[in-house]
Amino acid sequence: DTEVTQTPKHLVMGMTNKKSLKCEQHMGHRAMYWYKQKAKKPPELMFVYSYEKLSINESVPSRFSPECPNSSLLNLHLHALQPEDSALYLCASSQDGAGAQEKLFFGSGTQLSVL
Amino acid sequence: GQNIDQPTEMTATEGAIVQINCTYQTSGFNGLFWYQQHAGEAPTFLSYNVLDGLEEKGRFSSFLSRSKGYSYLLLKELQMKDSASYLCAPRDSNYQLIWGAGTKLIIKP
Repeated sequence: DTEVTQTPKHLVMGMTNKKSLKCEQHMGHRAMYWYKQKAKKPPELMFVYSYEKLSINESVPSRFSPECPNSSLLNLHLHALQPEDSALYLCASSQDGAGAQEKLFFGSGTQLSVL
Repeated sequence: GQNIDQPTEMTATEGAIVQINCTYQTSGFNGLFWYQQHAGEAPTFLSYNVLDGLEEKGRFSSFLSRSKGYSYLLLKELQMKDSASYLCAPRDSNYQLIWGAGTKLIIKP
């Protein structure tokens, strides 16, 4: 299994909603990442989990809350988002637990629209 | 500061060869990655260079010159499915990827 699975693929939410994005991998990778990508822009790193512990938080607003329940799962909890948060949210994993952003395996992403 | 420079868009013909250049300035250097991204999809890994020289993998090759802060991705025997964005991403001294804005490659029949 060389896949990173993300759900849902599409999400539309209002600014008062609470929702969660989910990510799963079964490759035994020890680092997992959340990226945000706007159209025609490169991915922006949001969070890195290394051995299930948050190792990097790139000054992301608190309305985004990551969670790593175990080594295979990564969630991103969303609350009180703004329309400018609309983007493609990508989960990725890599084998190295140091989070050195070596070869990344990306999920297919969640296209989020905030109304 | 850290900066990645690659062309915004390139056009090539099916069956031809195209070279996508990338110049970079980073705080330290720990290798450089190339990713392919089709519209609306996730990036997929293409190549990794850490030493100077050419790495060949099928139709795709990637070159690195650390002294010049320069890399290129060479695509041979272009196919329509190669139409995508190609992202150059060196790693800095903290092993963080610095992503270029990507080069949109358009393949014409």
